[in-house]
Amino acid sequence: GAVVSQHPSWVICKSGTSVKIECRSLDFQATTMFWYRQFPKQSLMLMATSNEGSKATYEQGVEKDKFLINHASLTLSTLTVTSAHPEDSSFYICSVTGRGLNTEAFFGQGTRLTVV
Amino acid sequence: KQEVTQIPAALSVPEGENLVLNCSFTDSAIYNLQWFRQDPGKGLTSLLLIQSSQREQTSGRLNASLDKSSGRSTLYIAASQPGDSATYLCACTYGGFKTIFGAGTRLFVKA
Repeated sequence: GAVVSQHPSWVICKSGTSVKIECRSLDFQATTMFWYRQFPKQSLMLMATSNEGSKATYEQGVEKDKFLINHASLTLSTLTVTSAHPEDSSFYICSVTGRGLNTEAFFGQGTRLTVV
Repeated sequence: KQEVTQIPAALSVPEGENLVLNCSFTDSAIYNLQWFRQDPGKGLTSLLLIQSSQREQTSGRLNASLDKSSGRSTLYIAASQPGDSATYLCACTYGGFKTIFGAGTRLFVKA
């Protein structure tokens, strides 16, 4: 399977600051990356889909100006939570898929964001 | 609308018991179905992946089945152990590799 590295694994930030989360595919070309959010005791909800070199497609209800996604290369996508507020505290996880992965998506280990 | 439902939401069993977790999905046009394990505050660990053309997959004490016609999958855990305590997520991947997750089943295995 493919190896996906997500960094950081946890972060605490002050309200009003911005936080960047990285998702890297270490051993293959990730043509598509997905970002999910999981609130406590709830399932993962898709936030956005990004294809390398193009703008991300956001799911309904997700603010694109607040959650900035950049997929500038085939190995890296970033999610920036801008002007974070306590209600943004959540578990964020990325998944990647790409050429030759036979429809399987691989997941990062996730980032736990706490906004205080 | 593509939805994935898991039953039960929570389950508590004594050690050694065999158990079945259920997953149902509304859209049967899946590419694959995957079962994950999630420990509290942690990421996802992939347990089993069943491609749409397959009927089941096995790994150790785990067996997952897929019935696309009825929109159902089951995860069978044999001889459960306290270390199996976690949340188990069912996820269906569709066209464009969009993955829809169920809400999970929280399993507690008592020693």
